[in-house]
Amino acid sequence: LAKTTQPISMDSYEGQEVNITCSHNNIATNDYITWYQQFPSQGPRFIIQGYKTKVTNEVASLFIPADRKSSTLSLPRVSLSDTAVYYCLVGVILSGSARQLTFGSGTQLTVLP
Amino acid sequence: DVKVTQSSRYLVKRTGEKVFLECVQDMDHENMFWYRQDPGLGLRLIYFSYDVKMKEKGDIPEGYSVSREKKERFSLILESASTNQTSMYLCASRTRTSANNEQFFGPGTRLTVL
Repeated sequence: LAKTTQPISMDSYEGQEVNITCSHNNIATNDYITWYQQFPSQGPRFIIQGYKTKVTNEVASLFIPADRKSSTLSLPRVSLSDTAVYYCLVGVILSGSARQLTFGSGTQLTVLP
Repeated sequence: DVKVTQSSRYLVKRTGEKVFLECVQDMDHENMFWYRQDPGLGLRLIYFSYDVKMKEKGDIPEGYSVSREKKERFSLILESASTNQTSMYLCASRTRTSANNEQFFGPGTRLTVL
């Protein structure tokens, strides 16, 4: 299983860019890297996914180096509403396969005014 | 919008009871998942169903079983609840044809076993 490691918590101020890094040293060739956001009393919500290099969508960017042993979620200009737990997930879903999906333990991001 | 609903937000049961947690999704998704979430441990996969009547064990299947008789419904069963199964349980679904691993999660059921 591709074990993931993330910082337990991070603080930032409104308007700043936040980068959260996830380590996944034994990522497999077929594995994708996915990030989720979770607010209290809610289920996680998909943010972004990538395989290699850089991926950008309307809410975040994901940077993946060539060796794919880590990834960095970048949130531009955070606001108070971005305060949440962010999870890194490594794996792939294959029908009929036991390939597991491994969530990290999450990073609590607190955005301060 | 995809909607994943779970039968209860909060549930209190006694040790030894049989517990059913129900999950329903309304988007005709083939894949469904059950996770438990504990402080400091993140989300851990209990069982995965890739289609009706199909199931795969996840990381921590011991003490749990599942049922997927209909496409929209995925049930998690605790045959004999124990205090160490006190946790938040999250259900998720995903379409098999998705270009990514995006799963849609329900709001969770917080189960307390006394």
